[in-house]
Amino acid sequence: EDQVTQSPEALRLQEGESSSLNCSYTVSGLRGLFWYRQDPGKGPEFLFTLYSAGEEKEKERLKATLTKKESFLHITAPKPEDSATYLCAVQPTLQGAQKLVFGQGTRLTINP
Amino acid sequence: DGGITQSPKYLFRKEGQNVTLSCEQNLNHDAMYWYRQDPGQGLRLIYYSQIVNDFQKGDIAEGYSVSREKKESFPLTVTSAQKNPTAFYLCASSRTGAIYGYTFGSGTRLTVV
Repeated sequence: EDQVTQSPEALRLQEGESSSLNCSYTVSGLRGLFWYRQDPGKGPEFLFTLYSAGEEKEKERLKATLTKKESFLHITAPKPEDSATYLCAVQPTLQGAQKLVFGQGTRLTINP
Repeated sequence: DGGITQSPKYLFRKEGQNVTLSCEQNLNHDAMYWYRQDPGQGLRLIYYSQIVNDFQKGDIAEGYSVSREKKESFPLTVTSAQKNPTAFYLCASSRTGAIYGYTFGSGTRLTVV
C-alpha cells in the first residue's frame, strides 16, 4: 500500500531559526513528489514538484530535496508569514490517473 | 483569472439530508478530484474524473455521489448514508497525460447539526 508519513506533526520556531520538515514515502514507484502550503480554512497552494532522487527546487526561503525514500523541505531564516501547514504528496507510478497520496501535514508556526 | 471555485464556503446539514457541494473550474483541465480533510489526517480521495461523463471511486466513496456532465463542473453530493460527513471538502483539478500537480479550490466546510 502506498503511504506517506510527515514529521514532525507540529513545529514551532523562532523567526530566523532554520529547520527541516520530513516526508517519508513507500510507493510502488514514484512519478512525482509534490509539496503544498495550506493556510487555515483555505485550499492547498502548490509549491514544488520533484521527479527523481537528487533533485532540488528552491523558492524564496524554501528548498525541497528528494532521495529514494524521503523528501525534505528546508526552511531558511523563516518569517512569521511562513506559518502554515505543509503537505507532501506522491504520485505513484502504478496509479492509472493523476491520483496523489497525501501525508497528514506538518503544522509550522514561526514566532516573531 | 483562471481557477477553481467552490461553493458554498460553509454548509450546515441536518441529519438525514442530502447536500450538494459545487466545484467549477475555468482552467480547461480534464481531470477533477474531490478530497476530504479531517483534523490530523491527510487528504483522502473521495471521487475523481478524468473525462466528461466518466468518474471513478476513490478510497472513501461510500455515502458520496458525483456527476461530470460538463468539463468545467464536478459537483459532490453528500448523502444521508455518509455517517460522519462533518469535514473540510476540497475540490482540485489537473491536466492529464503527464505529471502535473493539482490546483485546489478554497474548500467547503460541512457541518452536521
